[in-house]
Amino acid sequence: DVKVTQSSRYLVKRTGEKVFLECVQDMDHENMFWYRQDPGLGLRLIYFSYDVKMKEKGDIPEGYSVSREKKERFSLILESASTNQTSMYLCASSTREGRGGNQPQHFGDGTRLSIL
Amino acid sequence: AQTVTQSQPEMSVQEAETVTLSCTYDTSENNYYLFWYKQPPSRQMILVIRQEAYKQQNATENRFSVNFQKAAKSFSLKISDSQLGDTAMYFCAFMKHPSFTAGNNRKLIWGLGTSLAVNP
Repeated sequence: DVKVTQSSRYLVKRTGEKVFLECVQDMDHENMFWYRQDPGLGLRLIYFSYDVKMKEKGDIPEGYSVSREKKERFSLILESASTNQTSMYLCASSTREGRGGNQPQHFGDGTRLSIL
Repeated sequence: AQTVTQSQPEMSVQEAETVTLSCTYDTSENNYYLFWYKQPPSRQMILVIRQEAYKQQNATENRFSVNFQKAAKSFSLKISDSQLGDTAMYFCAFMKHPSFTAGNNRKLIWGLGTSLAVNP
């Protein structure tokens, strides 16, 4: 089974701190994703990466950056945390096929981040 | 741009009964994929079922089945013999058929979800 591991289940940080959320997958997946999930807003894509050192902005990239130095690891960085970044953060990965492409995204358990 | 709409924010069903969750989408693509994901309370998001648009036959996974109406752009999920463990948030998602070269060939477009409660 695919395993996507997020470094923390719960995290509390202070306004202005630089926050790192880590995600590791063990299935050699090319694609990795960071979402935030808020009640009534569903899942919103922050950033994604389809290869090492490659990244693309999602729908709400402002205030965030990402790093993918190794294929298995995708980090989300809050440069200067603010209270409106309090949320559930979900990491996901998927494989990239040459054709087909119905391979689903596999999710981690999520990190509930509180910014005080 | 593609959109996915789940018109039922909350639903409930009695244990052992059948419930249908609705999902509609808007796209100009002809070939694409549709998914239903389940997120139990405080637990991991997992895939329930997937459908390829070029396949006429509706996908089925045990008690879960879909009613895929391509012309109507509708993709409903039917849960038969509902169990307490089916209590979860259910998300419908769309992915257009990936190309060889496009980097964003695995982006999902998500609905806002339907919260399903299965009552004993």
